[in-house]
Amino acid sequence: GEDVEQSLFLSVREGDSSVINCTYTDSSSTYLYWYKQEPGAGLQLLTYIFSNMDMKQDQRLTVLLNKKDKHLSLRIADTQTGDSAIYFCAESISDSSYKLIFGSGTRLLVRP
Amino acid sequence: NAGVTQTPKFRVLKTGQSMTLLCAQDMNHEYMYWYRQDPGMGLRLIHYSVGEGTTAKGEVPDGYNVSRLKKQNFLLGLESAAPSQTSVYFCASSKMTGAQQYFGPGTRLTVT
Repeated sequence: GEDVEQSLFLSVREGDSSVINCTYTDSSSTYLYWYKQEPGAGLQLLTYIFSNMDMKQDQRLTVLLNKKDKHLSLRIADTQTGDSAIYFCAESISDSSYKLIFGSGTRLLVRP
Repeated sequence: NAGVTQTPKFRVLKTGQSMTLLCAQDMNHEYMYWYRQDPGMGLRLIHYSVGEGTTAKGEVPDGYNVSRLKKQNFLLGLESAAPSQTSVYFCASSKMTGAQQYFGPGTRLTVT
């Protein structure tokens, strides 16, 4: 079945780069997304990548997609304390495209 | 343009009570979704709607009902609340299938 997995926790020092990893199982995914959730708030779309792309860069964010290994990563350059949040990876399933399958989220803690 | 709003923000119910959560969007989106978020888990789809007057079951529909009488509103009902329904509920909407989903701020529900 469809499954998305992420590590639970990442701690980095302010100014360093953060890399959050995600693996997924459905090879027919059309889009893969990264959402950010701050405490007590809803999910905010950070960026997304179409499945025929390898990389997407958007200011401090870089998304890398390895389709062969079904591995997605989000790199945040120059991580700031405001980046502390939970980051969710999600895939859009092509055969029932109403649905997003979410990972369990990675909690990023940025230490001053 | 308020985006996606949810009412109420917080609610405490006793086992067996009923309630309705309201989701409203002002973006003229066709698709609307209800998710629940539990600790250590990603979001799980409860029900969704692909247009006014239509609803369909998601991944975890048991114990919930939904209605989409108006395009801009999507209601989630609990007829007889159970402690297992203690969760944070998120509504989302999107313009089309596979497109970015916009999330509301969430409703925190506790069933005692």
